[in-house]
Amino acid sequence: GAGVSQSPSNKVTEKGKDVELRCDPISGHTALYWYRQSLGQGLEFLIYFQGNSAPDKSGLPSDRFSAERTGGSVSTLTIQRTQQEDSAVYLCASSLGQRYSPLHFGNGTRLTVT
Amino acid sequence: KNEVEQSPQNLTAQEGEFITINCSYSVGISALHWLQQHPGGGIVSLFMLSSGKKKHGRLIATINIQEKHSSLHITASHPRDSAVYICAVITNTGNQFYFGTGTSLTVIP
Repeated sequence: GAGVSQSPSNKVTEKGKDVELRCDPISGHTALYWYRQSLGQGLEFLIYFQGNSAPDKSGLPSDRFSAERTGGSVSTLTIQRTQQEDSAVYLCASSLGQRYSPLHFGNGTRLTVT
Repeated sequence: KNEVEQSPQNLTAQEGEFITINCSYSVGISALHWLQQHPGGGIVSLFMLSSGKKKHGRLIATINIQEKHSSLHITASHPRDSAVYICAVITNTGNQFYFGTGTSLTVIP
């Protein structure tokens, strides 16, 4: 079946421009997570959505980062006024949202800010 | 402070060797994941466990809840096992995941 889909797979943008990254979770998955992975680093939590609850935004590194999830399905991560330190692979993951639900990752969007 | 610590950070093994990767965590958890990330590739979940031991092919994962420790074992390692292995825990106070920084495994033919 279809897994977690992310688009674009690669994005090159100029410093100062805004970018939008998209995540299509597995159908029926109520939990959706955004992470990023900088070169040679571990996974860094950004934001978590669970059903209709208010999202956990505690991992967003600055107010230039925002995310929304429309209709409990597709999510968009927006980075405004991109900086070079934003360059990373942005990963989306989803799960059924229950305590023992496996986590499924997308293939990520590689963002390069020049 | 890292909620999840993995060791070793890097590991090189000869084909056929038995490999162990360790994960210790400091938070209360409901479950622990072992993830595999191939170079340039996505991340796949190998195991999710909350107690005891699970086996899948040449991979074995164990967890000791009291000691807050898990191990991933690879028997008869093969070059295709070369990847980054990541330990992730889900807290028992919510649905938050914490990740280790990963163990980079290289298996030499």
